Amino acid sequence: GIQVEQSPPDLILQEGANSTLRCNFSDSVNNLQWFHQNPWGQLINLFYIPSGTKQNGRLSATTVATERYSLLYISSSQTTDSGVYFCAVEEWAAGNKLTFGGGTRVLVKP
Amino acid sequence: NAGVTQTPKFQVLKTGQSMTLQCAQDMNHEYMSWYRQDPGMGLRLIHYSVGAGITDQGEVPNGYNVSRSTTEDFPLRLLSAAPSQTSVYFCASSRRQGEITDTQYFGPGTRLTVL
Repeated sequence: GIQVEQSPPDLILQEGANSTLRCNFSDSVNNLQWFHQNPWGQLINLFYIPSGTKQNGRLSATTVATERYSLLYISSSQTTDSGVYFCAVEEWAAGNKLTFGGGTRVLVKP
Repeated sequence: NAGVTQTPKFQVLKTGQSMTLQCAQDMNHEYMSWYRQDPGMGLRLIHYSVGAGITDQGEVPNGYNVSRSTTEDFPLRLLSAAPSQTSVYFCASSRRQGEITDTQYFGPGTRLTVL
């Protein structure tokens, strides 16, 4: 199956700081998503981004499919950005299973 | 619309009991799935369905049954609960274009404890 690795595993930010999270994957993909798991455990979909760049408010993401990586940018971080960020790629031949990376745990301090 | 809903939010069972976790979506999505999330193991696919009347096994199906009698509903049944099934369960749904899904949306989760 596809291997998905995320870095860094942990990130502590001061409120207002910017950060970049990275996701590397081992094979070509048709579907890549970024999720935020908030402290209450909910998995919130951030981006569906198999290639290219998208922006949504203070968040943006870029996937370079040919080089097998994706980046999530958080700008002007807020305490509500705390939680775990997951990258997930679809294995269409395995029941459209999403294979998740290990996550980046983000703590934004006021 | 409500998106993907799951009930109950929390459940405690005794070993050997059975129960059904409910999942519903109002987006007319063809594809639905169940995952469990365990510390250190990430999210693992239990069962999935590509449409009403069609279900298949994921990577950890033992001890669980599913059915898909309507497009909207995809219940997960625990046949005889075991402590190893203590986990957080997520249901997800998506449009499916050919063999590939679009954005997969997750429900709020059910936290299950088996004593």
